Amino acid sequence: DTAVSQTPKYLVTQMGNDKSIKCEQNLGHDTMYWYKQDSKKFLKIMFSYNNKELIINETVPNRFSPKSPDKAHLNLHINSLELGDSAVYFCASSRRGGHEQYFGPGTRLTVT
Amino acid sequence: RKEVEQDPGPFNVPEGATVAFNCTYSNSASQSFFWYRQDCRKEPKLLMSVYSSGNEDGRFTAQLNRASQYISLLIRDSKLSDSATYLCVVIPPWGDKIIFGKGTRLHILP
Repeated sequence: DTAVSQTPKYLVTQMGNDKSIKCEQNLGHDTMYWYKQDSKKFLKIMFSYNNKELIINETVPNRFSPKSPDKAHLNLHINSLELGDSAVYFCASSRRGGHEQYFGPGTRLTVT
Repeated sequence: RKEVEQDPGPFNVPEGATVAFNCTYSNSASQSFFWYRQDCRKEPKLLMSVYSSGNEDGRFTAQLNRASQYISLLIRDSKLSDSATYLCVVIPPWGDKIIFGKGTRLHILP
């Protein structure tokens, strides 16, 4: 009965590869987010989707492409991975118009 | 001035003590405020919303000072399990952006 789930939990890959992280929420929320938390623990929003529509796109390289097949899922695809992409990526969701966020457990990405 | 600033700490506090920390924000028209808690290698979890009149949840009290543009979190009778990083969140007036502070680390000492 996990509210927000992400797969995989750990991802180790080499520079230049393409990888995807999946996120699903069963809370019935309309809005989903991707965050990046770097080695200094700074949590920064990357994208926000509201009912499959992109509403926030922060300054993120276009190697990062979110995809929302339905409002319960928001996946993140990353092309041509770089060392600086190493971080923990958190998915989150919230009610429409609400700002109380429910986070997934995170995906720890290591690029070697 | 940064959009949201927090003292990174760490705050090392003996068990049972009261501890308080602040979070300042730059946009005076910001509309909503929250405190989140993040344990080591875990996801952030909502601790409490911050209401204009101040609010309390058990040992935790959150306050908003709009004149000086900060929110505060007070923890009374601190427990070992309160050790975590506390993140403040500010929602700017246009509402579709969410800004997290860098967090304040709290260590409760036995």
